[in-house]
Amino acid sequence: DQQVKQNSPSLSVQEGRISILNCDYTNSMFDYFLWYKKYPAEGPTFLISISSIKDKNEDGRFTVFLNKSAKHLSLHIVPSQPGDSAVYFCAAGRSYQLTFGKGTKLSVIP
Amino acid sequence: DTGVSQNPRHKITKRGQNVTFRCDPISEHNRLYWYRQTLGQGPEFLTYFQNEAQLEKSRLLSDRFSAERPKGSFSTLEIQRTEQGDSAMYLCASSLLAGGPGHNNEQFFGPGTRLTVL
Repeated sequence: DQQVKQNSPSLSVQEGRISILNCDYTNSMFDYFLWYKKYPAEGPTFLISISSIKDKNEDGRFTVFLNKSAKHLSLHIVPSQPGDSAVYFCAAGRSYQLTFGKGTKLSVIP
Repeated sequence: DTGVSQNPRHKITKRGQNVTFRCDPISEHNRLYWYRQTLGQGPEFLTYFQNEAQLEKSRLLSDRFSAERPKGSFSTLEIQRTEQGDSAMYLCASSLLAGGPGHNNEQFFGPGTRLTVL
């Protein structure tokens, strides 16, 4: 049973526009959420996190929104840049343990 | 560079051989994790250390796998009698036990060790 789902395997966005990556989860016991970016042959790079008691967290071009009632979170990247092209993983945490989604491959077209 | 480092970056071995991977976490981090990632999947949790104590092992970690963190600093992951199904990227991550207000146990990953079992 997959507890964290990223239902879009891929997303293409024009440079300068907004990228919206979505993530759904099933376990209401998760108490924090994180987004990671991954380039091929590298480890995941931490981007931004949010506690379950918040509904929004912003860091530069990246904003994460959390809707607890819908068990849904999203990552907004504005404006999108070609260097943002990578696989993005959503992760949900309870205590020390993270559960990851399968990732969404973002392509930003110049 | 003060990030998480892993060695080797790549390992090719024959089925039945033993392999050992090393992870050096960020120096002040007392939590250390091992994950496995296969193609098309997200990282899957294998095991967790708080300082030198191994506090959690996933069901994914069969008896052929063993991990240590002898002095609460670097860690090793050993796979005995490797099988082709062990081929994967093995990722190490570290985090702070208590990071203050707004801390969400952000885990920082190393570059991984790519294992290929022939």
